[in-house]
Amino acid sequence: DGGITQSPKYLFRKEGQNVTLSCEQNLNHDAMYWYRQDPGQGLRLIYYSQIVNDFQKGDIAEGYSVSREKKESFPLTVTSAQKNPTAFYLCASSMSPDREKLFFGSGTQLSVL
Amino acid sequence: GDSVTQMEGPVTLSEEAFLTINCTYTATGYPSLFWYVQYPGEGLQLLLKATKADDKGSNKGFEATYRKETTSFHLEKGSVQVSDSAVYFCALSPNSGYSTLTFGKGTMLLVSP
Repeated sequence: DGGITQSPKYLFRKEGQNVTLSCEQNLNHDAMYWYRQDPGQGLRLIYYSQIVNDFQKGDIAEGYSVSREKKESFPLTVTSAQKNPTAFYLCASSMSPDREKLFFGSGTQLSVL
Repeated sequence: GDSVTQMEGPVTLSEEAFLTINCTYTATGYPSLFWYVQYPGEGLQLLLKATKADDKGSNKGFEATYRKETTSFHLEKGSVQVSDSAVYFCALSPNSGYSTLTFGKGTMLLVSP
């Protein structure tokens, strides 16, 4: 079955540590996205990528980094510069021309120890 | 900038009750409008969409009509089920160039038997 796989489901970060969240899709979608979800705040866009080897900052990119070396993979690194990383992180993908139809993974809950 | 405002939850209903979740938006031009649903522990799924004024999106018994005069896209269902318990997100896409979705904060729906 095609879909988006996020791992791990739960992740704990120590202070000063960088952690990487994995996102893999086998839908052959061109575009991929990372959102952060906080209680009562909805979804906020961190980064997105329209094609391989290219990505753009979203609304809250500070303290995060991404790469897009392969079409199917879009990992997100939460760096030590992100002072409030505890949140639920969602990866999504879409395909032109129906690019507003996002397919989401089941998310990663990141918590700070 | 563009924004989406949803009614605050939780919305608590008994099974077979009528559901309305209000959504209003602020955007320039003529955006497309969407409702996404998030079941517990999962990512979001597209529920329905409308791309122009007076369009009605529908799926799984849910409906929403794009009202340009009131800048609204309220979600309705005539008879809710326990399985409809989820968080519902209203979203818009500006339809100008390559743009990403702007989400509302989400409204939790709890349906009791």
